Amino acid sequence: NAGVTQTPKFRVLKTGQSMTLLCAQDMNHEYMYWYRQDPGMGLRLIHYSVGEGTTAKGEVPDGYNVSRLKKQNFLLGLESAAPSQTSVYFCASSFYTGLAGGSYEQYFGPGTRLTVT
Amino acid sequence: LAKTTQPISMDSYEGQEVNITCSHNNIATNDYITWYQQFPSQGPRFIIQGYKTKVTNEVASLFIPADRKSSTLSLPRVSLSDTAVYYCLVGGDNNAGNMLTFGGGTRLMVKP
Repeated sequence: NAGVTQTPKFRVLKTGQSMTLLCAQDMNHEYMYWYRQDPGMGLRLIHYSVGEGTTAKGEVPDGYNVSRLKKQNFLLGLESAAPSQTSVYFCASSFYTGLAGGSYEQYFGPGTRLTVT
Repeated sequence: LAKTTQPISMDSYEGQEVNITCSHNNIATNDYITWYQQFPSQGPRFIIQGYKTKVTNEVASLFIPADRKSSTLSLPRVSLSDTAVYYCLVGGDNNAGNMLTFGGGTRLMVKP
């Protein structure tokens, strides 16, 4: 199993450009998440999905859009990049844990380092 | 989501036991306590999860008192490779996803 993979690993954008980050998982997880991590800070949740075709906003959703057309993929889009979006982006996935006692472990990808100039 | 408070940094030496305490005064009844480890330029990695009392796995122990308002991650006999940032998180599945809030974490430096 490859686990959680992210594409691309690095990207430099100019202000106003758009791009899509791809996250893929092969663990048949129901839940998927996008986080951003600024230097020296913890991770902040951007958007998440509890299943194919469903998405929801997290803590810092402005300037981003997401789509979950297939269970194994979760896409993060930047329509008009801004320097404030310079960050490392992490994707994660986890099982549905509807029953008490389940594991809440999230599996993280290696990250995408995005620089907006 | 319950907020967590933990020390910004800690230093230790190889072979010592390290205890990192996290405060979560507003923990909800259904919340679990989870700890993650993050190395530079990598995504966080799950270490351990607990609800109450004590949990132990092959890498760490988690101590949770009866009131659950704090928890302590214990790393036995640390090595240089345990130098990392450790995050304490509180949350659970509220039918809206397993949402976690990462605080600033504790930066552990293990010295030779």
